[in-house]
Amino acid sequence: DAEITQSPRHKITETGRQVTLACHQTWNHNNMFWYRQDLGHGLRLIHYSYGVHDTNKGEVSDGYSVSRSNTEDLPLTLESAASSQTSVYFCASSDSAVRTDTQYFGPGTRLTVL
Amino acid sequence: LAKTTQPISMDSYEGQEVNITCSHNNIATNDYITWYQQFPSQGPRFIIQGYKTKVTNEVASLFIPADRKSSTLSLPRVSLSDTAVYYCLVLSGGYQKVTFGIGTKLQVIP
Repeated sequence: DAEITQSPRHKITETGRQVTLACHQTWNHNNMFWYRQDLGHGLRLIHYSYGVHDTNKGEVSDGYSVSRSNTEDLPLTLESAASSQTSVYFCASSDSAVRTDTQYFGPGTRLTVL
Repeated sequence: LAKTTQPISMDSYEGQEVNITCSHNNIATNDYITWYQQFPSQGPRFIIQGYKTKVTNEVASLFIPADRKSSTLSLPRVSLSDTAVYYCLVLSGGYQKVTFGIGTKLQVIP
């Protein structure tokens, strides 16, 4: 069955370190997204991609970057981790051929920045 | 961006029907209304979507009046396993400004 996976599921890092969160989907979806979820803020869009080599900034993109070298993967990089980036991160994908844009979410990565 | 407004929380007893209403006053002509469900420590999952009138699937029903300025998610005979956060989402103008908001936290009581 097609799925979307994230790794690691839990990560503890130190301020200033570079961190990369992996997202891999086997739906063959063109669209992929990264969100962060914090108490009281719901889900906020960080970056999104409509296809290979396409990336776009979302609502809260400062301090984050993504690259899309193939259809299946959209890694999220924190260039220099900050305590404010402690959060739960969700990756999602959707089929651009479907007008209604239903998104399929991964299980999430809980990141703690000390 | 079609901003949505929904109650922050709701409580319901097992076996009751639960209706969660979402307001989206500036919904655009081509927008669809989508509801997601999120259990603790999991990613959101799609439960239902509609454009107008009524849509029903095995999980829920979605009622949308003619003016489309609101929508109501209806969960029939809820059980404890329906305790979750429910998000109302309306997409406008591409993905850049997609926001799930804080959703409605539904607590089902035995």
